[in-house]
Amino acid sequence: AQTVTQSQPEMSVQEAETVTLSCTYDTSENNYYLFWYKQPPSRQMILVIRQEAYKQQNATENRFSVNFQKAAKSFSLKISDSQLGDTAMYFCAFMITGNAGGTSYGKLTFGQGTILTVHP
Amino acid sequence: DGGITQSPKYLFRKEGQNVTLSCEQNLNHDAMYWYRQDPGQGLRLIYYSQIVNDFQKGDIAEGYSVSREKKESFPLTVTSAQKNPTAFYLCASSISIRGRESEAFFGQGTRLTVV
Repeated sequence: AQTVTQSQPEMSVQEAETVTLSCTYDTSENNYYLFWYKQPPSRQMILVIRQEAYKQQNATENRFSVNFQKAAKSFSLKISDSQLGDTAMYFCAFMITGNAGGTSYGKLTFGQGTILTVHP
Repeated sequence: DGGITQSPKYLFRKEGQNVTLSCEQNLNHDAMYWYRQDPGQGLRLIYYSQIVNDFQKGDIAEGYSVSREKKESFPLTVTSAQKNPTAFYLCASSISIRGRESEAFFGQGTRLTVV
């Protein structure tokens, strides 16, 4: 079974500062994707960033970057120059892909979420 | 515009009644998913489907049922066997071609309340 763990229920940061959200996962699969999603008060799920497990280079999207440590099964999100609009719940997610067989292919599992508050 | 539509946005159900939540997508995605979210909690997978006429149980399938008769549609029925159905339900879809999988795209959600 696949599990995703976010150990920080809540985090806060000052505007313009940098914050890192943690995520660990457990799987026996070799082919998978990892994602960070943002859920603002509107409750609409928004993709922040995506990482393919076969890629060694860490993904970046403007102010958002990840630290992907495959051996340690760790996938943290760094938000630089935090903005008030970054206030939201952030979810780490894991999707089985590639050559996985059986019923596990395509399964998309989420962590418990981290509530991030950016203070002015 | 392409997207995922969930309806209704708010739904009220009496105890003991079944209720069906609608999810339609026009993104031509093969995979579709149903999640349950409780206040301040993460998303828990109820059911998912990679192809028409096939679906798999997620982590909390008890008390729920689904069908996938069309690629565009993946309705979720909350049965009377679900002991605590009040929650926010999210539907999602994704590309499910091996080697070209995409992230999941989400609908706006349905808030179900048992009265």
